[in-house]
Amino acid sequence: SQQGEEDPQALSIQEGENATMNCSYKTSINNLQWYRQNSGRGLVHLILIRSNEREKHSGRLRVTLDTSKKSSSLLITASRAADTASYFCAASTGTASKLTFGTGTRLQVTL
Amino acid sequence: NAGVTQTPKFQVLKTGQSMTLQCAQDMNHEYMSWYRQDPGMGLRLIHYSVGAGITDQGEVPNGYNVSRSTTEDFPLRLLSAAPSQTSVYFCASRRAGTYNEQFFGPGTRLTVL
Repeated sequence: SQQGEEDPQALSIQEGENATMNCSYKTSINNLQWYRQNSGRGLVHLILIRSNEREKHSGRLRVTLDTSKKSSSLLITASRAADTASYFCAASTGTASKLTFGTGTRLQVTL
Repeated sequence: NAGVTQTPKFQVLKTGQSMTLQCAQDMNHEYMSWYRQDPGMGLRLIHYSVGAGITDQGEVPNGYNVSRSTTEDFPLRLLSAAPSQTSVYFCASRRAGTYNEQFFGPGTRLTVL
């Protein structure tokens, strides 16, 4: 079963606006990761937040984690057309730190 | 470094045929994994390995075999292809440890007729 569920499934914004994607998961995690996938390509790691962290920044990305609600959010500020892609959260669990992916959010950034 | 490489990029099989999807990495990563990606379902873990000679099942292992004889290679074998195995397959690798990112290959698009 999917560990992560994301919403919205699709998001369309204009360049310069902020984009927020949310992820919920089901069990205790080691960490939560976000990946980007451009159409027809493999996934690229964006950011990792540990279970004992609440917020993390990387460039225009801001990730929050609320372990009490089993949820995370990814904020992309000042979106660009090049940010158009699908975004996936992935929950890392267990001693082998297996990743279980959510269903993804398709982000479209228009000029 | 080439990173994670996968061959072939595309493959069409007939029901009942067998084949091997190749995956190799040159980063000396201990962990390697195979995922399948279907529309609207995200990525699902098929099999994974935490080191040479060690493999384990993921979420959807039925119909697939793996082996890990070297650190670099992690082939995925389809024993008797079925239309339900039509999907995009991704191989990934990472260093051991709890807080390391995964690196993905470009994927293999498989169609089973």
